[in-house]
Amino acid sequence: DAGVIQSPRHEVTEMGQEVTLRCKPISGHDYLFWYRQTMMRGLELLIYFNNNVPIDDSGMPEDRFSAKMPNASFSTLKIQPSEPRDSAVYFCASSPGTGYSNQPQHFGDGTRLSIL
Amino acid sequence: KQEVTQIPAALSVPEGENLVLNCSFTDSAIYNLQWFRQDPGKGLTSLLLIQSSQREQTSGRLNASLDKSSGRSTLYIAASQPGDSATYLCAVRREGGGSNYKLTFGKGTLLTVNP
Repeated sequence: DAGVIQSPRHEVTEMGQEVTLRCKPISGHDYLFWYRQTMMRGLELLIYFNNNVPIDDSGMPEDRFSAKMPNASFSTLKIQPSEPRDSAVYFCASSPGTGYSNQPQHFGDGTRLSIL
Repeated sequence: KQEVTQIPAALSVPEGENLVLNCSFTDSAIYNLQWFRQDPGKGLTSLLLIQSSQREQTSGRLNASLDKSSGRSTLYIAASQPGDSATYLCAVRREGGGSNYKLTFGKGTLLTVNP
């Protein structure tokens, strides 16, 4: 069974450009999470969805960040315009639904984003 | 606001040694606690999940304990091997269950097991 798939694995772009990160969750999982990991702040939850609906976006740092989940098998995290301080590793994770509320989250391998 | 602290930040041990990693959290109103492993350039892999009503969980050479009232958890690794080298993170999920899925992570302990 395929795990959580993220693309691209690496992204290098210049400040001011739009960045789009993509995630395909594990089939049948109802929850999808976006995290950001930096050396200074560790791993932080940005937003999560349940059945394609955003539940908690309190971790989204600024209006420059937006996330969508148009269907159960795809989500995007967009940064526009990007800034050097957005450089980090961005992880997507998915988890089964509330009937399995003690199941762990399954993580993708992340997108390493560098903003020059 | 929940804060999760992991001590030590880094640990180096010889192969075969038993070791303990520590995790503490400030708010004891948790639903569960999880231990993850992260290899370089990879995502997180869940190792053990302890529900708030449990005291410990075991998987192979790994044993995780939870003392919810004191806000502490430990991950015990028996007979360490070079393949155990990785960063170990703990995360707590706040009380409420159901749709309340927010995890708060510690910054991890970087473990190196030397052959």
